[in-house]
Amino acid sequence: DTGVSQNPRHKITKRGQNVTFRCDPISEHNRLYWYRQTLGQGPEFLTYFQNEAQLEKSRLLSDRFSAERPKGSFSTLEIQRTEQGDSAMYLCASSLQGGRSLFGPGTRLTVL
Amino acid sequence: AQKITQTQPGMFVQEKEAVTLDCTYDTSDQSYGLFWYKQPSSGEMIFLIYQGSYDEQNATEGRYSLNFQKARKSANLVISASQLGDSAMYFCAMRERVGDSNYQLIWGAGTKLIIKP
Repeated sequence: DTGVSQNPRHKITKRGQNVTFRCDPISEHNRLYWYRQTLGQGPEFLTYFQNEAQLEKSRLLSDRFSAERPKGSFSTLEIQRTEQGDSAMYLCASSLQGGRSLFGPGTRLTVL
Repeated sequence: AQKITQTQPGMFVQEKEAVTLDCTYDTSDQSYGLFWYKQPSSGEMIFLIYQGSYDEQNATEGRYSLNFQKARKSANLVISASQLGDSAMYFCAMRERVGDSNYQLIWGAGTKLIIKP
């Protein structure tokens, strides 16, 4: 296991289109987190899963955002009807319960 | 209210010198964890060091050490013998309990460290 992976690394889309990102966590990690990071800022928490259950969802996450982790392994984050304000780096992290979070390389989204 | 404060938006340090990055935090929990992460220009968030609130010793990991002053609620990162490759954004984060068994990482705004040759 080489760590947390995310795909794609970069995504450019037009406003109004839907996009989906994938995160593959470290295999034995039961917790998976999504964060959004805009330029010059620290990450903002979006949501997290313990196994397949989505336990918490930030108020930042509008109805256009949805995340799944159907089998408790990989997770997807979908943004519908993208807006220019969605342009950011989307970071995924995984951890064991109570353990340190290890991050993936991120997916950089640019909405034109 | 700001829970993690990093007061240094940017720092320039001469190569081989030690550098201290400041972090103060605010929590009413007795049990919490403090983290430092490094984010180079490539964007990947790299874990550096962790300090638990009940740990009596300051955490150390190679050239990184955490100066944990619980009464002052500060958790400064010290990098000894800085290298050019240390140039990056550095984020302080706190793991805080939310509910019975849920945790959340709260992040500071980061410090941009530039090492000069």
